[in-house]
Amino acid sequence: AQTVTQSQPEMSVQEAETVTLSCTYDTSENNYYLFWYKQPPSRQMILVIRQEAYKQQNATENRFSVNFQKAAKSFSLKISDSQLGDTAMYFCAFMKPNNDMRFGAGTRLTVKP
Amino acid sequence: EAQVTQNPRYLITVTGKKLTVTCSQNMNHEYMSWYRQDPGLGLRQIYYSMNVEVTDKGDVPEGYKVSRKEKRNFPLILESPSPNQTSLYFCASSPDRGYGYTFGSGTRLTVV
Repeated sequence: AQTVTQSQPEMSVQEAETVTLSCTYDTSENNYYLFWYKQPPSRQMILVIRQEAYKQQNATENRFSVNFQKAAKSFSLKISDSQLGDTAMYFCAFMKPNNDMRFGAGTRLTVKP
Repeated sequence: EAQVTQNPRYLITVTGKKLTVTCSQNMNHEYMSWYRQDPGLGLRQIYYSMNVEVTDKGDVPEGYKVSRKEKRNFPLILESPSPNQTSLYFCASSPDRGYGYTFGSGTRLTVV
């Protein structure tokens, strides 16, 4: 079974600073996909970024980037120039090739003015 | 507008009274999934479906049923709800292998 671990239940960052959220996963699969989702207080789940395991290049979406270390089974999310609107729960997710997707327990991020 | 629609958004019910949470997507997506979200546990998968009439259990299927008779609909059925099924439920759909899921707005269920 795949497990996803987010070791930081809560984090905070000052506005305009950079923060990194950690995620590790356990799998015997070689081909899979990784995601970060954001859940603001509205409770809507929003896809932030996606990484394909067979691609070595780290994915980037504007201020959001990942550090994917396949051998270490690590998938961290870096948020640059943090904004107040980034305050949310962030979930790391692992997806098997059959689209079976499992989530970590989440990290609550607070951006302080 | 492309979306996943869940109904109802809020529901309070009593133990043992059968209920159905509906989920519909208008994007012709192949894959659909149900999750429940509980504090400190993140989202846990209940069931997922790879296509019409093809479903499989997730991590926490006990006490739930699903069906996928049409591509667009994936209802979640609680035959005999219990208080431990009080949770926030999400339906989601994905167009193809490896693509992220689009989520509905969630259903807050309380079983008393």
